[in-house]
Amino acid sequence: GDSVTQMEGPVTLSEEAFLTINCTYTATGYPSLFWYVQYPGEGLQLLLKATKADDKGSNKGFEATYRKETTSFHLEKGSVQVSDSAVYFCARTDSWGKLQFGAGTQVVVTP
Amino acid sequence: EAGVAQSPRYKIIEKRQSVAFWCNPISGHATLYWYQQILGQGPKLLIQFQNNGVVDDSQLPKDRFSAERLKGVDSTLKIQPAKLEDSAVYLCASSLGLAETYEQYFGPGTRLTVT
Repeated sequence: GDSVTQMEGPVTLSEEAFLTINCTYTATGYPSLFWYVQYPGEGLQLLLKATKADDKGSNKGFEATYRKETTSFHLEKGSVQVSDSAVYFCARTDSWGKLQFGAGTQVVVTP
Repeated sequence: EAGVAQSPRYKIIEKRQSVAFWCNPISGHATLYWYQQILGQGPKLLIQFQNNGVVDDSQLPKDRFSAERLKGVDSTLKIQPAKLEDSAVYLCASSLGLAETYEQYFGPGTRLTVT
């Protein structure tokens, strides 16, 4: 069936390092794609989204581009901060707006 | 604007007991979702409502789980009887409607521990 696969964590980085979290999806149609973030002790928050091929979502210095040809939606940030430490979830919509999530990638940024 | 409210935040029960979770979505949001997030995994949809009707409950273990949204606003998710594998965070989310471009807003979740 349709699924979302993201790289396993934890990903440990030093402050100001470049972050990439890979995400690929399978789909029979053209879903919308999302990155959600879960900071320690907080609920899930939408980080960014893209609704069609070649769209680029961006927020808080994070970016991800909807690549239909590679069925990917990789998350990137050029210079991470300690406050970016969180669990990041890639997700795609199923029919009627239902979200299907990847397993999550924990990111730990050290000073 | 108030966010999605859930209660309780934490619950510990013994297996075979019953438990209920409550969710109050954002005002005006017609669509409500319940997700189950087991530790180390992404959230998995249990049930989706549009107003007071069920859109999708294909992943809900109906022998023990039930959910309702009688007046199209608040919702309750119940587990009876609970099993050890039900230990998880139960997330409620709401959105304006069914279109996949509508953002889902998540509540803080209820952490259930079954002993």
